[in-house]
Amino acid sequence: DTEVTQTPKHLVMGMTNKKSLKCEQHMGHRAMYWYKQKAKKPPELMFVYSYEKLSINESVPSRFSPECPNSSLLNLHLHALQPEDSALYLCASSQAHDSYNSPLHFGNGTRLTVT
Amino acid sequence: DQQVKQNSPSLSVQEGRISILNCDYTNSMFDYFLWYKKYPAEGPTFLISISSIKDKNEDGRFTVFLNKSAKHLSLHIVPSQPGDSAVYFCAASAHKFYFGSGTKLNVKP
Repeated sequence: DTEVTQTPKHLVMGMTNKKSLKCEQHMGHRAMYWYKQKAKKPPELMFVYSYEKLSINESVPSRFSPECPNSSLLNLHLHALQPEDSALYLCASSQAHDSYNSPLHFGNGTRLTVT
Repeated sequence: DQQVKQNSPSLSVQEGRISILNCDYTNSMFDYFLWYKKYPAEGPTFLISISSIKDKNEDGRFTVFLNKSAKHLSLHIVPSQPGDSAVYFCAASAHKFYFGSGTKLNVKP
């Protein structure tokens, strides 16, 4: 079982909907990440939170809005998405961001389909 | 431009034999390298890592080799088992993680 839990596993939403993806970890990690992965492509970094503060935003469109309510939780709020945003959204955590020898631990992802 | 490349999209190996997965990188600032395994419908699972001060790291059946002069990383799985069939991603880190596009390993019984 993964120690990073993501909900929901699957999500289908229309372009006018507002939805949220949720991620939780209880490993005491202080860095949390959102990645997007398309079929047969590597995971692409979207956001990094370090000690509950946003430290990296990879020029992600504003229709994606991250939130880190506390050190264990990470949300991704979605609004007015486009069909090309359909992908697997992966949450990950690590002991610290930019820390030597600190691997990422991934959740199982949310499979998002935008219709 | 991709800084981490896995040039073999797939690899097929007989059970019990060695699987060798390869990865090349371009950024000499990378100081930490990792391998992940991914099954369908699951997130990537961390397998093994190596820091740039080493050239080899072993964990059971898995060994990672780092050749800094060639900017090349490889993962050896010995002996290969059918349960090892998955997509393997290499990753490298310099402030943030960069992933290769993956190699699909099929271990035949």
